[in-house]
Amino acid sequence: GNSVTQMEGPVTLSEEAFLTINCTYTATGYPSLFWYVQYPGEGLQLLLKATKADDKGSNKGFEATYRKETTSFHLEKGSVQVSDSAVYFCALSGTGFQKLVFGTGTRLLVSP
Amino acid sequence: SQTIHQWPATLVQPVGSPLSLECTVEGTSNPNLYWYRQAAGRGLQLLFYSVGIGQISSEVPQNLSASRPQDRQFILSSKKLLLSDSGFYLCAWSSGHSNSNQPQHFGDGTRLSIL
Repeated sequence: GNSVTQMEGPVTLSEEAFLTINCTYTATGYPSLFWYVQYPGEGLQLLLKATKADDKGSNKGFEATYRKETTSFHLEKGSVQVSDSAVYFCALSGTGFQKLVFGTGTRLLVSP
Repeated sequence: SQTIHQWPATLVQPVGSPLSLECTVEGTSNPNLYWYRQAAGRGLQLLFYSVGIGQISSEVPQNLSASRPQDRQFILSSKKLLLSDSGFYLCAWSSGHSNSNQPQHFGDGTRLSIL
């Protein structure tokens, strides 16, 4: 079945550092890929998405590229801020009905 | 624009008591609706989804049930809560078109504590 694997957290960075959160997936067909962010005590917000190979999703300085050859969708940001501290979830949606499969989430802690 | 509302935001219930969590969506029609549970420090587990009124699919056998009495209303229930039902419950919706490109949009969640 479909699955998503994310790097273990927490990821601890200083403000303005470069961020990478790794995400790899296993899926049949051509899934759509998503990154969601969850701030403390809140629900999930869609951060970005990519729907086909080589697509780059971007939002709020974050970006991720759909790499079919490596089955990856790593999240990157060039300069993180304290306000980026949150839990980040990678997810995929297989072909057909939109049942999302989530990774376990990666907590990001950014210190001033 | 579309909005999703969940209530209550927090709930403390004794073991064995009933449960009813409600979720409503505004600004769209015939959405797909979902209930997830997030255990502390863990990922999201899909509990139920619905593609239309009265149509409920269960992903995991458990102590919970779901109902969709109206197009934009999704209810999560239990007759007798267990300690293991504690967690953060999230409702979500997506466009009713059967297209995996459409993202899901989440409510703010209900934190349920069972004593």
